[in-house]
Amino acid sequence: EAQVTQNPRYLITVTGKKLTVTCSQNMNHEYMSWYRQDPGLGLRQIYYSMNVEVTDKGDVPEGYKVSRKEKRNFPLILESPSPNQTSLYFCASIRLVGTKAPEAFFGQGTRLTVV
Amino acid sequence: TQLLEQSPQFLSIQEGENLTVYCNSSSVFSSLQWYRQEPGEGPVLLVTVVTGGEVKKLKRLTFQFGDARKDSSLHITAAQPGDTGLYLCAGGVRMRFGAGTRLTVKP
Repeated sequence: EAQVTQNPRYLITVTGKKLTVTCSQNMNHEYMSWYRQDPGLGLRQIYYSMNVEVTDKGDVPEGYKVSRKEKRNFPLILESPSPNQTSLYFCASIRLVGTKAPEAFFGQGTRLTVV
Repeated sequence: TQLLEQSPQFLSIQEGENLTVYCNSSSVFSSLQWYRQEPGEGPVLLVTVVTGGEVKKLKRLTFQFGDARKDSSLHITAAQPGDTGLYLCAGGVRMRFGAGTRLTVKP
């Protein structure tokens, strides 16, 4: 079954304690992306990856890091979480249809609370 | 500032009514996608439109891409409670999303 798996689903942590949210896809997609979702703001892109070892900042990258050492995995790293990073996070694996039509497949989400 | 503006932000209607939600931009897109998201879940792709003026139908849902490829609309005929959710549009190779329309269909 084609899927995007995020872990953990829920996480409560304290300010400054490094954490990693994992994301794995089994669809062999080259493109992957991380978003955060806050009320009234929709999905805002944090980071984007076009292939292994190729990543780029999205619209809200401050306070986040990513790595793409293998095609299937795209972890999101918060080196020193702060309360303003409390949010719902989604990982997406993206299929390109033709040359210009991307279609995203999302994980179940990670609800992060930083206290 | 959202690259894609969606309206209305909230919509509450009775079962059986028709509705249209909009996704507008000042930019031209090579394609636009529509997604539906239910509480506690990730967004799920409904449709991709790629040609200006294109109309696609998915059962009671009709999607239209503007002639200039700057806007799109989603029309739902005879809405049902199962249509309740957050409807999101997305555009561009980098997949930027609008803020969404939260639809509630009351029985």
